[in-house]
This record gives sequence, C-alpha cells and structure tokens, in this order.
Amino acid sequence: AQSVTQLGSHVSVSEGALVLLRCNYSSSVPPYLFWYVQYPNQGLQLLLKYTTGATLVKGINGFEAEFKKSETSFHLTKPSAHMSDAAEYFCAVSGGNNNDMRFGAGTRLTVKP
Amino acid sequence: DTGVSQDPRHKITKRGQNVTFRCDPISEHNRLYWYRQTLGQGPEFLTYFQNEAQLEKSRLLSDRFSAERPKGSFSTLEIQRTEQGDSAMYLCASSLIGLAGVPIFQETQYFGPGTRLLVL
Repeated sequence: AQSVTQLGSHVSVSEGALVLLRCNYSSSVPPYLFWYVQYPNQGLQLLLKYTTGATLVKGINGFEAEFKKSETSFHLTKPSAHMSDAAEYFCAVSGGNNNDMRFGAGTRLTVKP
Repeated sequence: DTGVSQDPRHKITKRGQNVTFRCDPISEHNRLYWYRQTLGQGPEFLTYFQNEAQLEKSRLLSDRFSAERPKGSFSTLEIQRTEQGDSAMYLCASSLIGLAGVPIFQETQYFGPGTRLLVL
C-alpha cells in the first residue's frame, strides 16, 4: 500500500523567494511519484513525475523535485516564486499502476508581493 | 485535443435525491478514473475503467454509487439517495496506456475541472 504525507498545509513565500514544498511517501514497492497543481475552480495539472532513472526531475513552470529513497522524500522546489504560482499543490504516489495512486492532503502556496 | 470535460460544473440537490454526473475524456483515451475530493483533502480514488470495463472500485464507493462507461468513451457517475456526506468535488481523469512500446509507467492522467456537489 502507498501513502503520502505533505508537511505543511499552508506555505507562504515572498515573490522571488525559494519555494519548498515537502512530501514524504510510504510504499511497499518501488514508488512512482507525482506533483500536481490545482488552481481555483480547475482540475489538477501534472507538474512533474518520477518513475525510473534520474532522481532529479524537472517539470513545467520552473519546478523540480528530487527523489531521495533514503529519506523517502520527493520535495518540490522552485528557485524564484512568481505570483502566478499561488495554488494548491498535491503530491501523489503509486506502485506503478495508476489505479492505486494516493494523494496527499495538499499544500496551499501563497505568494506575497 | 479539448481536454477532459465534466458536466455539470456545480450541482445543488436536496438530501435523498439522485444525481448524475458526466465525464467526457480526451478523445481516444482508453482509461477513465473517478475521484472524490473533499475540502482540505487530496483526491481519493473511487473507480476506473479501461475501455468499457470497470476494473476496480474503492471501498468508498457505497452501493448508492454507480458508474458506467457503456461505449468506452464518456462515463457517468450516479449517486442515489444523496446524503450530506456526499458533498464534495467529483473529479474525472483520463489516460492512454497500452500502446505498443509504451510502458505502463509512462501513463499520465489528465484531469477535468470537476463537478462540485452540495447536498442540502
């Protein structure tokens, strides 16, 4: 079984500051890991995913995440926050079949001018 | 490619009434998923179809819930005798898997905008 814990339900940063959203996972099989973003009144959009290979994954909008097996983590980062990054971010894990995908509770990112 | 669409976007109903939601996946996508998202939580898996076959149902899907995908294209999710606890956002996602040479882990789910249900 898989599960995800997102540390911090709310994160606030200033425009131009580093964004760090934390995600720790639990999985009984090699995990596939995802970050999705959800803007108000919209569905989820895939930011990036890790399946196999390189542990540093680059996604859209300047985001990246690093898979650290020893720490069971998949934290999302962006060097410089933009106002348009304000949204809800969800980390998810699956065991390879997406019918077993499990989402975290989400982290709401606020970007201050 | 017009993306995944869902209808209606909002639904208000009284307890005990039946409601039906529709999801139109991206054309030619063979997998379709339903999720429920309550306030302050991430999406929770409800069920999924591969073509017209419903392959898995979550324990969250009580007997009052039924989903269909009769022709392997659009899908409907019906809730009978709605309860206040059914109030949530219902999300649909679709994906394409199984193409020759495409490993299953390359699957990406594309989400629709959701249907927000309020049961009074």
